[in-house]
Amino acid sequence: GAGVSQSPRYKVAKRGQDVALRCDPISGHVSLFWYQQALGQGPEFLTYFQNEAQLDKSGLPSDRFFAERPEGSVSTLKIQRTQQEDSAVYLCASSLNPNNQPQHFGDGTRLSIL
Amino acid sequence: AQSVSQHNHHVILSEAASLELGCNYSYGGTVNLFWYVQYPGQHLQLLLKYFSGDPLVKGIKGFEAEFIKSKFSFNLRKPSVQWSDTAEYFCAVIGGGYQKVTFGTGTKLQVIP
Repeated sequence: GAGVSQSPRYKVAKRGQDVALRCDPISGHVSLFWYQQALGQGPEFLTYFQNEAQLDKSGLPSDRFFAERPEGSVSTLKIQRTQQEDSAVYLCASSLNPNNQPQHFGDGTRLSIL
Repeated sequence: AQSVSQHNHHVILSEAASLELGCNYSYGGTVNLFWYVQYPGQHLQLLLKYFSGDPLVKGIKGFEAEFIKSKFSFNLRKPSVQWSDTAEYFCAVIGGGYQKVTFGTGTKLQVIP
């Protein structure tokens, strides 16, 4: 399909391990977003890319969280030294250009930290 | 900072009943407003959006929403719900020209056949 693709769909890790979550946006979409959705909550903004530039990372909860989009397409969200409070669904979204909302969402990665 | 408040966390309706889900936002400037829906096991999908113009916005599947600037509200409505409307509904706002979307906490709608 032509939608936003995220992998893996599910990830279980032990506390202290590092994890990497991948997002393939819709081809040609300039803007890419990461959100964290905790159980029973709405998605919360983490970070935003325009092409390869990370223009806003104000939502990243700590310096253990790092995101990159080196070639302006695929993005990776990395969480180092995971903690139990990192357990959530991580959503990726993309949009065609900065002025062309709305965002198209992927299915998310459900991360569980044991 | 912008914020979004959804008043109902869980709504249960019978089929054919009318629906209205409340959404209020806080932001003093120009806003773009959205309603997203998440069906069980599926990803977030756009229902409708408001950027400017007619404050009564019509979306997919018979949904509509009305932007009332004076009340900072963007309530979602549907005259007659169906069992297939069972889902979680999120109100969202973008304000100030920033790309960051702020979501409400969501309303779970359960429609009983």
